[in-house]
This record gives sequence, C-alpha cells and structure tokens, in this order.
Amino acid sequence: KQEVTQIPAALSVPEGENLVLNCSFTDSAIYNLQWFRQDPGKGLTSLLLIQSSQREQTSGRLNASLDKSSGRSTLYIAASQPGDSATYLCAVSQVEYGGATNKLIFGTGTLLAVQP
Amino acid sequence: AAGVIQSPRHLIKEKRETATLKCYPIPRHDTVYWYQQGPGQDPQFLISFYEKMQSDKGSIPDRFSAQQFSDYHSELNMSSLELGDSALYFCASSLVKGTAENTGELFFGEGSRLTVL
Repeated sequence: KQEVTQIPAALSVPEGENLVLNCSFTDSAIYNLQWFRQDPGKGLTSLLLIQSSQREQTSGRLNASLDKSSGRSTLYIAASQPGDSATYLCAVSQVEYGGATNKLIFGTGTLLAVQP
Repeated sequence: AAGVIQSPRHLIKEKRETATLKCYPIPRHDTVYWYQQGPGQDPQFLISFYEKMQSDKGSIPDRFSAQQFSDYHSELNMSSLELGDSALYFCASSLVKGTAENTGELFFGEGSRLTVL
C-alpha cells in the first residue's frame, strides 16, 4: 500500500529565505507526482506536476524535483514571501495496469509560515 | 478556462439526515474523483468514475453512494449522516492516462464544506 510522508510537518521562516519541502513515498511505481497548495479551509491549487519520466519542473519561484527510484520529491521555494504561507501537499498517482484511474494518494502536508 | 464546479459550497445538516453534493467536471474530462478531507487531515480518496462507470473505490462508507450521469456530472449522496462526516468534500476531474497528450493531471474544485450538527 502506497504511503506518502512529508517532512517537516510545519516550518516557519523569515521572509526572503529559500526553503525546501520534502515528500517521500514507499512505492516507486508512480505515474506522476503533483504538488498542491491549500490555504486554510480552501481548495487545492495545483502548483506543479512531474511525470514519472521527468526529473524536475519549474514554475516561477517554485522548483520540484523527483527521484522515483529513491521515492523522493522536493519542492524548492526561492525568496519566500508572506503570501506563500499555506499548507503544501504532495500527492502521487499510482500506475494502474489495465485500469483507468489517476487517483492521487496525498501526503500529510507541510504547514508553512513565512514571517514578514 | 472552465474549472471544476462544485455545489453547494456550504451545507449544514442534522445527524441522520441526507445530503447530496454535485460536481461538474472540466469539459471533455472523462474521469471524476471524490475526496474527503476532515479537519487537519489530508484528502482521502472516496470513489472515481470513468465514462460514467465506477472505476475505483477507496474508503467510502456504505452510507455513501455516487454516480456519474450522461452529461458527466457526478453526485455524491450521503445518508444517515454522522458527526464524523463533517468535512470538506472535493471533486476532481482528469483525462484518463494513456494518451500522448494527457499528463494525467487532476484538477480540483473549490470543495463543498459539510457540517453535521
């Protein structure tokens, strides 16, 4: 059974710092990995998607990497801003041979607070 | 661009009542997923539909049922509501993987917040 873990559970940094959020998964047979942002009580905003054949994806100040063989992904946030404060979730999509589902299994999340 | 639409956004019910949540996927998407997120929890997969047929089932209680209609919208029906059913319910849609142009990315709606009193 796939298990997704995120470390740290919570992180507080001063504005302007670069930071790294970690995600690990137990079954390397994934189809893709998505990083999401969630503000309190709000919906899930997709940040980046990395397909299993890719090593990294970049969008603005965000960079996500994937090492499928070791079951790890990192989300790098450059020059953090108070507006980046939110919960960050990673989620993996399993390979479903013969199936037709991309269901995501979510990690436990990292609560990020960027202090002004 | 059109996104996933969920209704209602907020719903308050009493214990043992019934609730129905609706989801309208992104046009041309053929797969719909339902997730439940309890307070302080990560989203848990409930059920999915591909081309109007149930394609996968997760931790969905027997009191819950869902279906996808001919226009691809989906409804999640919850009966005999319990206090523990209070949660944010997300719907997501995607194109099924396996095609060259499809990344398999899931797009989520804003969620429906159910409060059971």
